[in-house]
Amino acid sequence: SYVLTQPPSVSVAPGKTARITCGGNNIGSKSVHWYQQKPGQAPVLVIYYDSDRPSGIPERFSGSNSGNTATLTISRVEAGDEADYYCQVWDSSSDHPRVFGGGTKLTVL
Amino acid sequence: EVQLVESGGGLVQPGRSLRLSCTASGFTFGDYAMSWVRQAPGKGLEWVGFIRSKAYGGTTEYAASVKGRFTISRDDSKSIAYLQMNSLKTEDTAVYYCTRVKPAYCGGDCYDDYWGQGTLVTVSS
Repeated sequence: SYVLTQPPSVSVAPGKTARITCGGNNIGSKSVHWYQQKPGQAPVLVIYYDSDRPSGIPERFSGSNSGNTATLTISRVEAGDEADYYCQVWDSSSDHPRVFGGGTKLTVL
Repeated sequence: EVQLVESGGGLVQPGRSLRLSCTASGFTFGDYAMSWVRQAPGKGLEWVGFIRSKAYGGTTEYAASVKGRFTISRDDSKSIAYLQMNSLKTEDTAVYYCTRVKPAYCGGDCYDDYWGQGTLVTVSS
């Protein structure tokens, strides 16, 4: 089955830029979606189709996807951005077609 | 305002059954695919399955880990999606989230644009 690999944790100081990667075989040929999950809460969609932002999501959140890596970038990080972030793709050749990455814990120092 | 409210979770013994409900409001339920995603305690997200809208046959897709045991259905007249879980195993213990899916067909590039708050299912003897 298709595997998405995310770093378990990323740390960043407030005001700096955080980059969370999502690795997968030729992931650049797929559409990647990103979700933010704060402790005790349900996930929230923050990026869809690689780089589109739902209404209500700050412009500080952006996404890119090429080759074997997709990246979620959070500019001017705030304390409220501290959360787990999950990438997700569809892999039609898999018996588990909707695949989530293992998640990355973003810590704001 | 889009709202998804899950119900029906609880403690159940291995091998037994449980049915979860997801009551939707704030949008035309019948126009959307609906999905279930679960999260074991302290773990990541795992897709369970989804059901397409009636316009696309109301067909379903499931993860291999639940195929043959879980069934998703929908009642568009009541704006409710169901997850029937049979032959439950201890590894099915998780918070189960109901999600709204776009686009309606969900043939390859779909995503979950709204999530409910989840309902906890604990499978234990």
